[in-house]
Amino acid sequence: SAVISQKPSRDICQRGTSLTIQCQVDSQVTMMFWYRQQPGQSLTLIATANQGSEATYESGFVIDKFPISRPNLTFSTLTVSNMSPEDSSIYLCSVRGGPWTTQTGELFFGEGSRLTVL
Amino acid sequence: DQQVKQNSPSLSVQEGRISILNCDYTNSMFDYFLWYKKYPAEGPTFLISISSIKDKNEDGRFTVFLNKSAKHLSLHIVPSQPGDSAVYFCAASPKEYGNKLVFGAGTILRVKS
Repeated sequence: SAVISQKPSRDICQRGTSLTIQCQVDSQVTMMFWYRQQPGQSLTLIATANQGSEATYESGFVIDKFPISRPNLTFSTLTVSNMSPEDSSIYLCSVRGGPWTTQTGELFFGEGSRLTVL
Repeated sequence: DQQVKQNSPSLSVQEGRISILNCDYTNSMFDYFLWYKKYPAEGPTFLISISSIKDKNEDGRFTVFLNKSAKHLSLHIVPSQPGDSAVYFCAASPKEYGNKLVFGAGTILRVKS
């Protein structure tokens, strides 16, 4: 299984500011995924980050609000821009299992970054 | 539009008894289903999965049942242990989207000793 580390684990932010979340994986992976879990709700995929190409965003999420970097095969960042209280969520980085994982679903998750926007 | 629904926000079970967590889905294109467990301050961890070609998958104390006609799956934990207390998420994967999981809102399981 992959070991995924996220920074920060939690933060309290002021409205209108931006925060960058870092995700480090202990092995090289092609695709990294960023999820959001708003309070009391399910995990929702924000975007898929591929190394060497632009991230692919899901409906309802845009690059200006959630810019993503993927400089190499073990690292990615997600920025939450111009934050408002509605952005208060847990943001999770995830990767697929290894090449032996033929099914789509076995994702490994980081511990999450809990953001509170005042 | 919630495609994956976990209608019970919480469940409380006595240690040693069976825990049954339920999940319903609406998209008939889903062909792979998973359960994840999440402890506080940790990310979700994969627990067990089932393909749509099966109706049951068992792994130790955990069994997942799939009823395709009813678009319903359930997770059975027998016997339940206090360490099983966590949030359980049901998730589904659409056929044509190879890497996307659609999650339910989760069910909080409390196992009382």
